[in-house]
Amino acid sequence: GQSLEQPSEVTAVEGAIVQINCTYQTSGFYGLSWYQQHDGGAPTFLSYNALDGLEETGRFSSFLSRSDSYGYLLLQELQMKDSASYFCAVRDQGSGNTGKLIFGQGTTLQVKP
Amino acid sequence: EAQVTQNPRYLITVTGKKLTVTCSQNMNHEYMSWYRQDPGLGLRQIYYSMNVEVTDKGDVPEGYKVSRKEKRNFPLILESPSPNQTSLYFCASSVGGAREQYFGPGTRLTVT
Repeated sequence: GQSLEQPSEVTAVEGAIVQINCTYQTSGFYGLSWYQQHDGGAPTFLSYNALDGLEETGRFSSFLSRSDSYGYLLLQELQMKDSASYFCAVRDQGSGNTGKLIFGQGTTLQVKP
Repeated sequence: EAQVTQNPRYLITVTGKKLTVTCSQNMNHEYMSWYRQDPGLGLRQIYYSMNVEVTDKGDVPEGYKVSRKEKRNFPLILESPSPNQTSLYFCASSVGGAREQYFGPGTRLTVT
């Protein structure tokens, strides 16, 4: 079946770099997205990778390797406000569903002073 | 301001009493979707719509109905709510699915 795997928790200190991994298993693939969600808030879009390689947006970068069914989100110069949950998501093409989206269970990032 | 709105934001109801959660977007997006979020389970897609009059099931559609009569609106209907539908619900829209979804503020539903 289709699934995404992420670590459940990651802890890092302010100013450091942290990488959140995501491995996926789907019957088709259109791209990998990343979302951030603060406690009690709505998820917000961070990045999208359709092709292999690194996409950089400010302090955040996202990487994709389609051959390995793997991606990661890289957060640099960590700030306290980066403490949040991070979700990866893919669009699944199986069973004729052309718009079904699957999210990972989320990684809770705790940034410590 | 580009946004997705949901109403109500909070709702406490009783088992079996039909309810509707509205969702509206002002970005002319074709794709709209509903999710529920439960502790430890992440976001699970309930239903999605690729365009007006086109809807399809996500991962957890049982007990829910949707309709897409207009491009901007995508209401979620619970015909006979049950306690296991107590959850945080999000509506989202995007130009085309996975890429960049805009989420509404969420609706916290409690069914007693």
